[in-house]
Amino acid sequence: GAVVSQHPSWVICKSGTSVKIECRSLDFQATTMFWYRQFPKQSLMLMATSNEGSKATYEQGVEKDKFLINHASLTLSTLTVTSAHPEDSSFYICSARVPGASNQPQHFGDGTRLSIL
Amino acid sequence: GDSVTQMEGPVTLSEEAFLTINCTYTATGYPSLFWYVQYPGEGLQLLLKATKADDKGSNKGFEATYRKETTSFHLEKGSVQVSDSAVYFCALSEYGQNFVFGPGTRLSVLP
Repeated sequence: GAVVSQHPSWVICKSGTSVKIECRSLDFQATTMFWYRQFPKQSLMLMATSNEGSKATYEQGVEKDKFLINHASLTLSTLTVTSAHPEDSSFYICSARVPGASNQPQHFGDGTRLSIL
Repeated sequence: GDSVTQMEGPVTLSEEAFLTINCTYTATGYPSLFWYVQYPGEGLQLLLKATKADDKGSNKGFEATYRKETTSFHLEKGSVQVSDSAVYFCALSEYGQNFVFGPGTRLSVLP
C-alpha cells in the first residue's frame, strides 16, 4: 500500500532555532500533501495544503512566515518552523493522497514530535 | 461547511466487550467516509472506509456502515482486545477535497 515517510520523528531544540520536517511519499507521486498539527489529546488541525510546484495554501490563522512549506518534487514536501518558540511545541503530521479517484484515503506519516526548550 | 461529530471519550471497556463509537456527519453532497486509528506516539492509520450509501467498510474485526438516511458511520467491533487501545478518528472527504476529521475518541481496553 501507499507509504508516507516523515522525518525526523522527534526533535528537541532551543528556542530561536529553525526546524525542518520532511514528508516523503515512498511508492507514489503526490501532487498534494497536507500538514496537520495535533495538540495533546486533541484532533488534527489542518495547517496547510502543499502543492507541488506552487505555493502552499494556508488555513486561516496559520502564519505563513512561521511555517514555511516547500513542495519541490512529487515525492517530497518540507515544513520549516522558523525561529521556533515553546508555543510551537506540538505533534506535526503530514499526509498525502494517492492521485486518482476522489474517494482515495489520505495516507499519513508517523508524525514529528517537536519540543522547543 | 462540512463537519464530523464523534461521541465523547474516553471509552473504557473490558477485553472481549462489544465496542460502538458513534460518528455523524454534515456534508453538502455525498462524501466518502473513513475511520482512522492513532496508537500512542504514532501517526494515523487508515482503518476502514466507505464511499457510498450502504457500503460497509471492514478491517481487523472493525466494521462501519455508511448510513445516508441518518448521516452516520458508527464504528463497531464485536470483541475488543487490549491492543485496540488507541484514539479513533472519523473523517469525511467530499469531491476530493481536504479531509474533515472528528475530534477523536480515546478507547482504553482493560485486561
